[in-house]
Amino acid sequence: ILNVEQSPQSLHVQEGDSTNFTCSFPSSNFYALHWYRWETAKSPEALFVMTLNGDEKKKGRISATLNTKEGYSYLYIKGSQPEDSATYLCASPPGDDYKLSFGAGTTVTVRA
Amino acid sequence: GAGVSQSPSNKVTEKGKDVELRCDPISGHTALYWYRQSLGQGLEFLIYFQGNSAPDKSGLPSDRFSAERTGGSVSTLTIQRTQQEDSAVYLCASSLVSGQYFGPGTRLTVL
Repeated sequence: ILNVEQSPQSLHVQEGDSTNFTCSFPSSNFYALHWYRWETAKSPEALFVMTLNGDEKKKGRISATLNTKEGYSYLYIKGSQPEDSATYLCASPPGDDYKLSFGAGTTVTVRA
Repeated sequence: GAGVSQSPSNKVTEKGKDVELRCDPISGHTALYWYRQSLGQGLEFLIYFQGNSAPDKSGLPSDRFSAERTGGSVSTLTIQRTQQEDSAVYLCASSLVSGQYFGPGTRLTVL
């Protein structure tokens, strides 16, 4: 089990503003980094799986970057909308293990 | 197709009672996982089933927790003699090759 940390724990964003938050993980024996979005009363939804240092992934207004050498990933939301309100989770397995170690999440609230 | 389903969605029980939580994985998915999220914590791995292999129970927090998977499909997580610290959201996920697909969770509250 890895020590995966996310910051901040929560943030409030005005509609239309952009924001970003961090996931940090041990850089040694890195295998993959997963991002999930978890809306209230729904199932966590996979956003990205990232494996390569310098990787950048994009899905609509949401994008993520990965730095495996220093052990962090940023998730960006451009032009936040109320429907972006959710808890964003990152997770990483120790090596090619199937067991994901999750961070505690960043809860984003977008105010109209 | 249908996603992962879990029941019940909410369960309130009294301390000391036993509870059973159910997970129906996506049809054909050979791997099934149970996690829980306690307040303010990250998702915590509990147990993993893969096909007919012996399950990985390394994440179960105590011997009050057990899980089974019948016929390689439906799984039941049982918590005996529930304690207040068992209150959490219990999530189930399934996968075939890569990527885990989550159910909506069961919110367990132990009074």
